[in-house]
Amino acid sequence: QSALTQPRSVSGSPGQSVTISCTGTSSNVGGYNYVSWYQQHPGKAPKVIIFDVTERPSGVPDRFSASKSGNTASLTISGLQAEDEADYYCCSYAGAYTWMFGGGTKLTVL
Amino acid sequence: EEQLLESGGGLVQPGGSLRLSCAASRFSFSTYGMSWVRQAPGKGLEWVSGISAGGADTYYADSVKGPFTISRDNSKNTLYLQMSSLSGEDTAVYYCVKNYYDSQGHWYFDLWGRGTLVTVSS
Repeated sequence: QSALTQPRSVSGSPGQSVTISCTGTSSNVGGYNYVSWYQQHPGKAPKVIIFDVTERPSGVPDRFSASKSGNTASLTISGLQAEDEADYYCCSYAGAYTWMFGGGTKLTVL
Repeated sequence: EEQLLESGGGLVQPGGSLRLSCAASRFSFSTYGMSWVRQAPGKGLEWVSGISAGGADTYYADSVKGPFTISRDNSKNTLYLQMSSLSGEDTAVYYCVKNYYDSQGHWYFDLWGRGTLVTVSS
């Protein structure tokens, strides 16, 4: 079970937009609409920001959006703010009640 | 506010065993599946194991299948992870996680504990 593929790092200036990709296979990302994204600040537990590919939990700003095409899911953060600097992980259902995470992407707000 | 609180982490020698616990509060624990997710120092998240709401069905990542056993006691609102044959590769923060699932088919990890650190070293 290899991790889903994410870029190790992305960066952007305040106010800009960044997109983080998450590539899997037809056995996980491409096969199910259970892709979620988690934000993790240093020393903290992860927090869900997107679930079921495109859905945002209440309280998550609409600056966070996501999509999926084939075996690749994407998270877009628009209007970057300093507080968005964190690690981001995608996660996909992988069948047989198992789950798979991406390797994580470090977002730097310049 | 819903809460998960892990305990039981610590230093253990290679080949040793450890049992983690996770106390749930302020939600209907017996209604939800639960998972353990771990994070090695400086590394990414790894789903380790899951259990159904009633406890009858358990699931494991290939990396821990065999040495690890997940269980729950719904009368005590507590989730467990029994770990044996531990190696350095098992060194990580272990998070207890609630699996949210509803009638609309939404399914994701909606509540995380603060984690407990397991260090496997001689």
